[in-house]
Order: sequence, then C-alpha cells, then structure tokens
Amino acid sequence: DTAVSQTPKYLVTQMGNDKSIKCEQNLGHDTMYWYKQDSKKFLKIMFSYNNKELIINETVPNRFSPKSPDKAHLNLHINSLELGDSAVYFCASSRAPSSTDTQYFGPGTRLTVL
Amino acid sequence: AQSVTQPDIHITVSEGASLELRCNYSYGATPYLFWYVQSPGQGLQLLLKYFSGDTLVQGIKGFEAEFKRSQSSFNLRKPSVHWSDAAEYFCAVGEQTGANNLFFGTGTRLTVIP
Repeated sequence: DTAVSQTPKYLVTQMGNDKSIKCEQNLGHDTMYWYKQDSKKFLKIMFSYNNKELIINETVPNRFSPKSPDKAHLNLHINSLELGDSAVYFCASSRAPSSTDTQYFGPGTRLTVL
Repeated sequence: AQSVTQPDIHITVSEGASLELRCNYSYGATPYLFWYVQSPGQGLQLLLKYFSGDTLVQGIKGFEAEFKRSQSSFNLRKPSVHWSDAAEYFCAVGEQTGANNLFFGTGTRLTVIP
C-alpha cells in the first residue's frame, strides 16, 4: 500500500533516447510534483500539477514533458536524453497546492545516461 | 529570492550523543520551514514543519527544531542519536503565497558510529 510509487526504480539508457518515468499516488491528493536531485544531492522542483493542470513549470528544457492523465498519475517523459539528465527524479504529492500541505515523496528513479 | 543554506555537508556523531544540524534561510517574509530525512535508497520523509506560533516544533522520531527569526535559522536537534538516524537531512523553505514550491538546501549527511 505504497503512498507514492515510481517506476522504474533504475533506468540506464544511451544519449539521444526517449524515456518515461511513471508516478502514481494512492493518497487521494490533488497536487503532484516532479523534482530532480543532482549528483551533489541538490533537490530542485521541476513541475507541479493540480487537478491535472500545470501550475509550476520551472526553467526546465522543453525536452522534459510531464503528462497527467488523471489526478493520481503524473508521468515524466524525456526526449533526446543528454548526459546532464543523469540524476535521481522524485515524484511527490500533496493534498492541495499550498505550502501548508505536506508533500509526500516517492522512492525516486535513478536515471543514468551513458 | 528564497534560498536555504546547510553549512555542514557531513556530520559524524556517536550513538547516544546529541545532534544539531544547522539550517539558514533567506526569505523576504515569514517563511514556512521544513526538515526532511532521506534514508539510503528512499524518498524524502517529513520530520517536522514550522508555519507560525511556538518557535520550538516537535517532529517524529524524537526530533525538534527551533525557528530563530533574528538568526534566520531553523536548526534541527535530537538529544540522543540512534544508529537508525544515519541518513541525509534536508532543510527546506516554502512560500506563503502561490503554489507549493519548496526550496531545498543541499543536505547534511549524518553518520552514526557505535
């Protein structure tokens, strides 16, 4: 009964490939997020969706495209992968898009681009 | 602009010793402050949060943190560390208005020696 789950846990791929990471939450939350954690452990928000609508879109290359088919899912598709995309990607969810609402994080997806 | 500084990259303490992890923030208004813990291979888990009121907040696993406006600090403390506390600890600041955008520090890695 994992609250926020991500697949796959590990992803190793070649430069130039296109890949997707899936995220699902069973908490009934309205808001979901994608974060990127680089090799120095710096964690930065990429996107946020509320009720399937994009509400945060930080400065992220347009090779990254989030898709929210429903409130429980927020997938991340990455085109033309580059070496610099290697990182751990975390999905999170919260009840609402408010700083007073706790964000619950998934276990992360470690992406390695060769 | 919001920012969070965690001056200690790595701290080593003996089991049973007290712990204090430092966090300084930069934010124009009264911030929302958070401490998260990341165990190896796991996602982030919320330890505690401060929004307003009593400046000493209690969290899970015996942790507490104190908000000091004059020092722009939100240090995390635990009186007696357990071996299971070994993890990466992240301080974060959230905005009072707008979407739930958390700004994280670069983390402090805690090693606990027997």
